[in-house]
Amino acid sequence: KQEVTQIPAALSVPEGENLVLNCSFTDSAIYNLQWFRQDPGKGLTSLLLIQSSQREQTSGRLNASLDKSSGRSTLYIAASQPGDSATYLCATGEGGSEKLVFGKGTKLTVNP
Amino acid sequence: KAGVTQTPRYLIKTRGQQVTLSCSPISGHRSVSWYQQTPGQGLQFLFEYFSETQRNKGNFPGRFSGRQFSNSRSEMNVSTLELGDSALYLCASSLDRAGRNIQYFGAGTRLSVL
Repeated sequence: KQEVTQIPAALSVPEGENLVLNCSFTDSAIYNLQWFRQDPGKGLTSLLLIQSSQREQTSGRLNASLDKSSGRSTLYIAASQPGDSATYLCATGEGGSEKLVFGKGTKLTVNP
Repeated sequence: KAGVTQTPRYLIKTRGQQVTLSCSPISGHRSVSWYQQTPGQGLQFLFEYFSETQRNKGNFPGRFSGRQFSNSRSEMNVSTLELGDSALYLCASSLDRAGRNIQYFGAGTRLSVL
C-alpha cells in the first residue's frame, strides 16, 4: 500500500527566500509523481509532473526532483513571493494503478 | 479550452438523504477520477472511470457510487448520507490513463450534511 508523507506540515518564510518542500513515498513502483497547489476553498492546480524515468522537472521558479530508489521528491521554490502562499501537495500512484495517493500537504505562508 | 466543471459548488443535505454530484471533464479527456477531501483524512481516492467503465475503486462503502456517460461526463452519488460525508468532493480529468498523465481538477463541490 502506497503511503505519501510531506514534511513540514506548515512553513512560514519571508518574501524572497528560497525554500524546499519534501515528499516521501513507500512504494517505488510508480509511473510518475505530481506536485499540486491548492488555494483555500479551491480545487488543485497541477504544477509539475515528473515521469519515473526523469530526475528533474522545471517550470519557472519551480524545480521538482525525483529519487525513486530512496522514495523521495523535493519541490524547490526560488525567490518566494506572497502569491506563492498556498498548500502544496504531492501525489503518486499505488501499485502501478491509476489510483493517486496524496500526501497531507505543506501549508506555505510567504510574508511580505 | 474550458476546464473541469463541477456542479453544484455547494450543497446542504440532511442525514439519510442522497445526493448526486456532476463533473464535466476537459474536452477530449476520457478519464475522470473522484476524490474526497476532509481536514482529518486529506485527499482520498474514490474511483476512476474511463470510457464509461470503472477502472479503479478506493476504500469507501457501497453508499458511494458513480458512473460515466458516453460524452465522458461523470456523476457521483452518495446514498443514505452520514455526518461524516461532509467534505469537499473533487473531480479530476486526464487525457488517458489517470495515473500516467497530468490530472486537471475542478473547483469541487462542498457538501455539508446536517
